[in-house]
Parts: sequence; C-alpha cells; structure tokens
Amino acid sequence: AQKVTQAQTEISVVEKEDVTLDCVYETRDTTYYLFWYKQPPSGELVFLIRRNSFDEQNEISGRYSWNFQKSTSSFNFTITASQVVDSAVYFCALSEAFGAQKLVFGQGTRLTINP
Amino acid sequence: KAGVTQTPRYLIKTRGQQVTLSCSPISGHRSVSWYQQTPGQGLQFLFEYFSETQRNKGNFPGRFSGRQFSNSRSEMNVSTLELGDSALYLCASREGGGTSSYNEQFFGPGTRLTVL
Repeated sequence: AQKVTQAQTEISVVEKEDVTLDCVYETRDTTYYLFWYKQPPSGELVFLIRRNSFDEQNEISGRYSWNFQKSTSSFNFTITASQVVDSAVYFCALSEAFGAQKLVFGQGTRLTINP
Repeated sequence: KAGVTQTPRYLIKTRGQQVTLSCSPISGHRSVSWYQQTPGQGLQFLFEYFSETQRNKGNFPGRFSGRQFSNSRSEMNVSTLELGDSALYLCASREGGGTSSYNEQFFGPGTRLTVL
C-alpha cells in the first residue's frame, strides 16, 4: 500500500527565513509520481510540482525548490526567503503512474510565516 | 478555460438527512475524482468516475455514492448523514482517463459540509 508521511504538523517562522517541509513516502511501485500542493485558507488545492520517479533531479522555481531522493524515499520542499503569502497548509502526495492514479496525501504541514 | 466548479460551496445539514454535491469538470475533461478532507483523517480518496462508470473507490461506507453524467458532470451523494461526515469535499478532474499515461488532476474549490 502507498503511504505518505509529513512528520511536521506545524511550522512557524519569521518572514525571510528559509524553511524546509519534509515528506517521506512508501510504495511498491517502480514508477510513480510525487506532488506538492498548497492549500490556502480558501480551501482549494493549488498544484505546485509533479515529479516522476525516474527523475531525481532537484528542481528550483523562484523561491521554491524540491529535493527528491529515491534512496531515502523523500521528497522535501524548501521555501527560500519566506513571505507572509506563503502561509498555508502544504500537502505532499503520491500517485501510481498508471491505473487509477488516485492521489494518496500526507497529513499536511501548516506553515505560518510571521511578519 | 473555466476551472473545476463545485456547488454548493457551503452546506449545513442535520444528522440523518442526505446530501448531494455537484462537480463540473474542466471542459474536455472526462474523469472526475472526489476526495474528503477532515481534520482527523486528512485528505482521502472517495471515488473516480470516467465515462459514467465508477472505476475506483476508496474505503468509505456504502452511504457514499456518486454518479457521472454524459456531459462528464458528477454528483456525489451521502445518505443518512453522520456528524463525522462534516468535511470539505473536493472534486478533481483530468483530461481523458487513461490508465496507461499520466493526466494531471485539477481541483475545484470544494464544498464545505457541516452536519449538525
């Protein structure tokens, strides 16, 4: 069975600090996808990134970066120079590459950026 | 293109009642999935519909059901509501519904159901 663990329930930092959100996953599939979603107070899930299990290259998008390590089954998310607008709940998710492709989510990390 | 829309956005019901939630996918998308989000259980997959057929179902009791229409719009129904059914119900749509290639899922704003 697939499982995603986000051990950090809540994180609070001061604006401009760097923050890393941890994600550890379990799957027996050799091909799968990993995701990060942001959920602002409005409730809608906002897609941030999708990563194929065969692509372990780190990715950077502006202040966001992702570190995928298959050896440790981790897919961590770092926000550099955090801003108040980054405050939200962040979810890591896992999906099989084929078949039903349902998303299995972690419990989420509530990130609060204080001015 | 318009995004995924869900109606109503907020709903209050009492125990024992039933409720129907609606989801209109992005134009051209044929697959619709439903997820339940609660503080205790987090985000959990309910079911997926493609071409009016339920293809996959999560671990939920039979009180939770759904259907999909020929225009790909989907409804989910919860009968005999319980307090624990209070949740944010999210709908996601994706193009096609292929099982041999990946299709991105796009989420709607959700329907917040409160059961009193």
